[in-house]
Amino acid sequence: DTEVTQTPKHLVMGMTNKKSLKCEQHMGHRAMYWYKQKAKKPPELMFVYSYEKLSINESVPSRFSPECPNSSLLNLHLHALQPEDSALYLCASSQDFRYEQYFGPGTRLTVT
Amino acid sequence: KQEVTQIPAALSVPEGENLVLNCSFTDSAIYNLQWFRQDPGKGLTSLLLIQSSQREQTSGRLNASLDKSSGRSTLYIAASQPGDSATYLCAVLIQGAQKLVFGQGTRLTINP
Repeated sequence: DTEVTQTPKHLVMGMTNKKSLKCEQHMGHRAMYWYKQKAKKPPELMFVYSYEKLSINESVPSRFSPECPNSSLLNLHLHALQPEDSALYLCASSQDFRYEQYFGPGTRLTVT
Repeated sequence: KQEVTQIPAALSVPEGENLVLNCSFTDSAIYNLQWFRQDPGKGLTSLLLIQSSQREQTSGRLNASLDKSSGRSTLYIAASQPGDSATYLCAVLIQGAQKLVFGQGTRLTINP
């Protein structure tokens, strides 16, 4: 099983809302990633968790807050977002950072 | 700074043709190179991963090669089918950085 799941599939939120994106994998992978993808562009790395510790933060604004409650779960907490944050948010996982990355289907986020 | 370039940006061919997608990168200090496909609005599907010590990998009708010294990889698709229509992305994993660097992608259309 090489599946990464993400919920919700779609999310519409106002600029004052607080919401969370969730990602789950049961492959025993110890590295998990959040990416942001705008239309017709490649994914941009936001955060990397390695063995449940944050190892990379690509200078992401503090209105995005990642959390890794355990080795299977990754959350992205959203607060006071801007319309330009509307994008496809992708989660990925790998055995560790040197190995193949597997992506989830993404959450389509619209900020109004 | 690692840069990844994919040529062409878009390609349209009739069904049944064999085709080659190109990827080049500027720094040969990589762990591996990964090819993905992405359907519109969906997540990325991993196609092939080539470790830096390998020259090629094959999966079904797909064959990917890697020439690290010249900073090039190709993805060969045999006997193309309409279902192969998608955007194809290559990405290199930078040594010591835990980070995939993506090309801009090639948008492939296979015409029936």
